[in-house]
Amino acid sequence: DADVTQTPRNRITKTGKRIMLECSQTKGHDRMYWYRQDPGLGLRLIYYSFDVKDINKGEISDGYSVSRQAQAKFSLSLESAIPNQTALYFCATSDPKPGLAGLGGYNEQFFGPGTRLTVL
Amino acid sequence: AQSVAQPEDQVNVAEGNPLTVKCTYSVSGNPYLFWYVQYPNRGLQFLLKYITGDNLVKGSYGFEAEFNKSQTSFHLKKPSALVSDSALYFCAVRDRGSTLGRLYFGRGTQLTVWP
Repeated sequence: DADVTQTPRNRITKTGKRIMLECSQTKGHDRMYWYRQDPGLGLRLIYYSFDVKDINKGEISDGYSVSRQAQAKFSLSLESAIPNQTALYFCATSDPKPGLAGLGGYNEQFFGPGTRLTVL
Repeated sequence: AQSVAQPEDQVNVAEGNPLTVKCTYSVSGNPYLFWYVQYPNRGLQFLLKYITGDNLVKGSYGFEAEFNKSQTSFHLKKPSALVSDSALYFCAVRDRGSTLGRLYFGRGTQLTVWP
């Protein structure tokens, strides 16, 4: 979806290096997510943010950190990359339906094109 | 606990034949259910969702899915497959009563439609 962009699209790095993956969106959504995709494992949630002041760990947050610089920007950092962090990383956004904010809403998530990260 | 199972890693079907991609789910309350498709080197694209109401949901590209509460299933279907439907398909679920709005994804099913 062109409304959600990720940079870089591909990155090769070495073990121990610090890496930042960036996500920007023009959809005006408050909610943003970072997932990683590994073959045969589907998508696993790393971190999510429901607004600029709200950051939550997902199921596989160890070794990762995030920063929500603005409503439109959500960055994922690998402080010291290791080979098993080689994966495809996706950013996504969503917004609850009006009137359903208290229940988390049900709108679908919109995904960026992904960043393919290789850690040697 | 919330989870999604896609029991088939791969589904192969001939062009023009009907296709089914299976999904079963587990949630503590009532579900919202989603199907996404991923084409090579692309992000996930939303296909359809079940929120409430009619158990048969129609989505993009001629796909539809049927919600079956008793079998906790949400199978994706298409009456006549196209070669261009070949892609990776993901089912996802979230608990309607959850305030977090998180989606839980299945592992994906690779659909191959041959000419």
